[in-house]
Amino acid sequence: NAGVMQNPRHLVRRRGQEARLRCSPMKGHSHVYWYRQLPEEGLKFMVYLQKENIIDESGMPKERFSAEFPKEGPSILRIQQVVRGDSAAYFCASSPGTGAGEQYFGPGTRLTVT
Amino acid sequence: AQSVAQPEDQVNVAEGNPLTVKCTYSVSGNPYLFWYVQYPNRGLQFLLKYITGDNLVKGSYGFEAEFNKSQTSFHLKKPSALVSDSALYFCAVRRNQAGTALIFGKGTTLSVSS
Repeated sequence: NAGVMQNPRHLVRRRGQEARLRCSPMKGHSHVYWYRQLPEEGLKFMVYLQKENIIDESGMPKERFSAEFPKEGPSILRIQQVVRGDSAAYFCASSPGTGAGEQYFGPGTRLTVT
Repeated sequence: AQSVAQPEDQVNVAEGNPLTVKCTYSVSGNPYLFWYVQYPNRGLQFLLKYITGDNLVKGSYGFEAEFNKSQTSFHLKKPSALVSDSALYFCAVRRNQAGTALIFGKGTTLSVSS
């Protein structure tokens, strides 16, 4: 059973460009979470999605950031007009659904804004 | 508000000695508690969790953790450390509610010397 997959693993963008990060959850998992890890900090929750629905986006910056999890295909975290402060590792996690289960993390996408 | 504290940025132990990585939490209601490990340039790997029941939880790679409700702590332990245990360890808490996000501590770097 393949784990959580994220691509690209590394992404370099110039200031003002758009960044698209993709996440394919584990097979059978319908819940996806996005987290951001800044240098010297722990992981911070950004958004929680189920298929075609955003359940909790309380950790998402109000501007430039958006996320989706369509009926078909991977979840996408989109950052418009990137700035240097967006440079971070972005991790996706998935879980099978309700209950006390742990979340399974992907390898992350390291975004560098130049 | 929920929070997790890992009071030590770094823990150093000699191979073969017991190790403890500390974690305290603050959450309303009964918590779900987790430990994850992160190796360089990798995603987080699940180690163990406490949901309910026995206060001593056993997990992967010989790790265990003790839940102490009165001290609101969930310290990670291992009787005999290995050099390969050297990594970044994160404690996380989730409210007793399905699907909610994990709140992470800042992480503790464990360094095991041979």
